[in-house]
Amino acid sequence: GAVVSQHPSWVICKSGTSVKIECRSLDFQATTMFWYRQFPKQSLMLMATSNEGSKATYEQGVEKDKFLINHASLTLSTLTVTSAHPEDSSFYICSASDPAGTSGSYEQYFGPGTRLTVT
Amino acid sequence: AQSVTQLGSHVSVSEGALVLLRCNYSSSVPPYLFWYVQYPNQGLQLLLKYTSAATLVKGINGFEAEFKKSETSFHLTKPSAHMSDAAEYFCAVTDTGRRALTFGSGTRLQVQP
Repeated sequence: GAVVSQHPSWVICKSGTSVKIECRSLDFQATTMFWYRQFPKQSLMLMATSNEGSKATYEQGVEKDKFLINHASLTLSTLTVTSAHPEDSSFYICSASDPAGTSGSYEQYFGPGTRLTVT
Repeated sequence: AQSVTQLGSHVSVSEGALVLLRCNYSSSVPPYLFWYVQYPNQGLQLLLKYTSAATLVKGINGFEAEFKKSETSFHLTKPSAHMSDAAEYFCAVTDTGRRALTFGSGTRLQVQP
């Protein structure tokens, strides 16, 4: 089946620093990847849609200058949290859709998530 | 706009009992519906999906769900709960136009021995 990896799985950083999270589709090409954020004991909220070779589309209320998304290849999207603050601490999960898969673009494969803690 | 409502943030059943997790959706276009399971500190695993084929969908680990358009529901069931089923379950919806998933608030399933 389609596999999506994320790196790192957890990261601790100091307030004011930047952190980059990578999302890779390992065995398929993903023209579209999605970034979600999940606070403890809450649901997943879509942050942005990442399209290969073009600018990401951000959801309302998500600061595009704070959460920089780059989708430079068909297998890699990155999320950079700039000038991180403690309130950015969360579980970040990416997903990717496989247009060539049996479900077309409508099934998403999720990465294992990245736990970010800002101190 | 799409939305998903999961009734019951916590459901507790005895091992061997029926599992029923409720999901109602709202969508202005024909939806695609999914159930995912999440174990602590892990990503999401797809249990099953409805993509406009058969209305009764069978998934992994003995789970199934029935799409009922008249009730705008997609409830998840399993005849006999196992201890390993204890996890968080999310219902999600998308459509041909949006592709990004809209998630319900989640239901935590506890299985009592």
